[in-house]
Amino acid sequence: QQQVKQSPQSLIVQKGGIPIINCAYENTAFDYFPWYQQFPGKGPALLIAIRPDVSEKKEGRFTISFNKSAKQFSLHIMDSQPGDSATYFCAASIRGSRLTFGEGTQLTVNP
Amino acid sequence: DGGITQSPKYLFRKEGQNVTLSCEQNLNHDAMYWYRQDPGQGLRLIYYSQIVNDFQKGDIAEGYSVSREKKESFPLTVTSAQKNPTAFYLCASSLQGNYGYTFGSGTRLTVV
Repeated sequence: QQQVKQSPQSLIVQKGGIPIINCAYENTAFDYFPWYQQFPGKGPALLIAIRPDVSEKKEGRFTISFNKSAKQFSLHIMDSQPGDSATYFCAASIRGSRLTFGEGTQLTVNP
Repeated sequence: DGGITQSPKYLFRKEGQNVTLSCEQNLNHDAMYWYRQDPGQGLRLIYYSQIVNDFQKGDIAEGYSVSREKKESFPLTVTSAQKNPTAFYLCASSLQGNYGYTFGSGTRLTVV
């Protein structure tokens, strides 16, 4: 019940495309859903986060869509650039407990 | 600048040796965490601490030990009991409550 399942494992898009990464969870008590971006050899960095009282949050070219009834949330990257090539992790937590991470998605944006 | 510092960036260990990885933060965060990341893999939790002088095992604690004597510091010792220690180790910290983690830049440990 504590798992967060992330898909796809890897994703390749062309510059300007809109990659979509999906995550699903079982535990309805989760109340905080962040996304992290990790470049090779670096630590992950918080990209954007959402709470279940909203269905969408945008920050620049990054958008989280949240579907509470389906227990799913996704990351969309608008007008993707080669510099967005990285590994993306979704995560979830309950009332500030430790984060449960998804397995990660390796995104490649070709020029 | 506030942040979380891991050292060293690269570490080589001979089989049978214990090594200690350093993690220091000046963010005044309450909680600190250690993760292991293998190539192409996700993040696996080793240990975490939510308060000084207290810590809990994560999902893969065997062969590792930690201490939390100061709020700012959470060193990880990889003992000789850890059979496959070669990996990328990440330290993170957070405030109590629903806030994101701040990660360090990692230590890459290689057994030679």
